Amino acid sequence: TQLLEQSPQFLSIQEGENLTVYCNSSSVFSSLQWYRQEPGEGPVLLVTVVTGGEVKKLKRLTFQFGDARKDSSLHITAAQPGDTGLYLCAGVRSNTGKLIFGQGTTLQVKP
Amino acid sequence: KAGVTQTPRYLIKTRGQQVTLSCSPISGHRSVSWYQQTPGQGLQFLFEYFSETQRNKGNFPGRFSGRQFSNSRSEMNVSTLELGDSALYLCASSLEGTGGRTEAFFGQGTRLTVV
Repeated sequence: TQLLEQSPQFLSIQEGENLTVYCNSSSVFSSLQWYRQEPGEGPVLLVTVVTGGEVKKLKRLTFQFGDARKDSSLHITAAQPGDTGLYLCAGVRSNTGKLIFGQGTTLQVKP
Repeated sequence: KAGVTQTPRYLIKTRGQQVTLSCSPISGHRSVSWYQQTPGQGLQFLFEYFSETQRNKGNFPGRFSGRQFSNSRSEMNVSTLELGDSALYLCASSLEGTGGRTEAFFGQGTRLTVV
């Protein structure tokens, strides 16, 4: 059973399109992080959200933490080929303190 | 500031052998976590070490073990290798641990292939 469900698992879009990746759970997290991983490299942290309802923007990327701190979304506006990669969400379990990763969303942005 | 360094980058072993992977965290970071990444299972937590003590452990068999030294460097050992152990093994370091709000910084990983 996957504690953090990411959807979609795969996404192939054209340059300039918008997209949203979802990260859902039935568990409450004290914080949630989003990472981006390129082939042959380790994940790189993009953002951490800690407050229910929090919204953070990083250039064309918008991250939102659900009010109940059980879900999060990543929205990319006007995607570019450089956005291609594996996007991972990870939540810190409130009861155990463990960092749990979702399965990831593989994004391909075609020029 | 140097990042997280993992060695070796690539490794090929045969079934039944054992392997040791190394991770040097960012200077000043005392927590080191290990993850196994495969296409089918995604990123799976192995264990976390903090100040030379194992603080958290994932659901992996006893063939997977680790340790942390006084300088915070960590090693991970897998004994009696199986084909299914082929994966990218990632190490992450953080100041106080992956619990709470502390952010994790990953190394480039060690790609282990078991033949």
